[in-house]
Amino acid sequence: AQKITQTQPGMFVQEKEAVTLDCTYDTSDQSYGLFWYKQPSSGEMIFLIYQGSYDEQNATEGRYSLNFQKARKSANLVISASQLGDSAMYFCALYTGGAAGNKLTFGGGTRVLVKP
Amino acid sequence: EAQVTQNPRYLITVTGKKLTVTCSQNMNHEYMSWYRQDPGLGLRQIYYSMNVEVTDKGDVPEGYKVSRKEKRNFPLILESPSPNQTSLYFCASRRTADSNQPQHFGDGTRLSIL
Repeated sequence: AQKITQTQPGMFVQEKEAVTLDCTYDTSDQSYGLFWYKQPSSGEMIFLIYQGSYDEQNATEGRYSLNFQKARKSANLVISASQLGDSAMYFCALYTGGAAGNKLTFGGGTRVLVKP
Repeated sequence: EAQVTQNPRYLITVTGKKLTVTCSQNMNHEYMSWYRQDPGLGLRQIYYSMNVEVTDKGDVPEGYKVSRKEKRNFPLILESPSPNQTSLYFCASRRTADSNQPQHFGDGTRLSIL
């Protein structure tokens, strides 16, 4: 079965500093996708970044980058130059389309609070 | 504007009274799904649909029903709601089931079952 783990329930970060959010996953599928979503206090889910299991380069989207270590089954999100608007809940998610069905499995989330 | 629309946004109801949460997308997406979000558990998939008339169970389907009669709509039905179904619900869609496509989420429906 697919499993995804975010071990940091919450963290503080100083404005303008970088922060790394941890995410580890487990799947027997060879082809899969990893996503990060942001959920601000208003509740909506905002897509941030995607990494495919066969992608050799780490994904980057503006201030977001994904540190993908396939052998370790980790997909950490790095936010550079944190801003106050980055305060939110962040979810890592694993997509698999194997015999278990097409599923997107979410981690428990990490709450980030950016301090001015 | 491309969007996923859920209704209602908020609902307080009582145990056993059937309810339906509607979900509609205007992007001609094939794949739609429902999630519930509970504190500390992240989002858990309830049901998903690969296309019209094709639905399948997610990780927590008990107590829920869905239907996909049209491509744009994917309602979530609680035939006999119970307090343990109090949660924040999200509908989402993506163009196809391919793994490299992000899901577009609705704004969420907060259900309270008394």
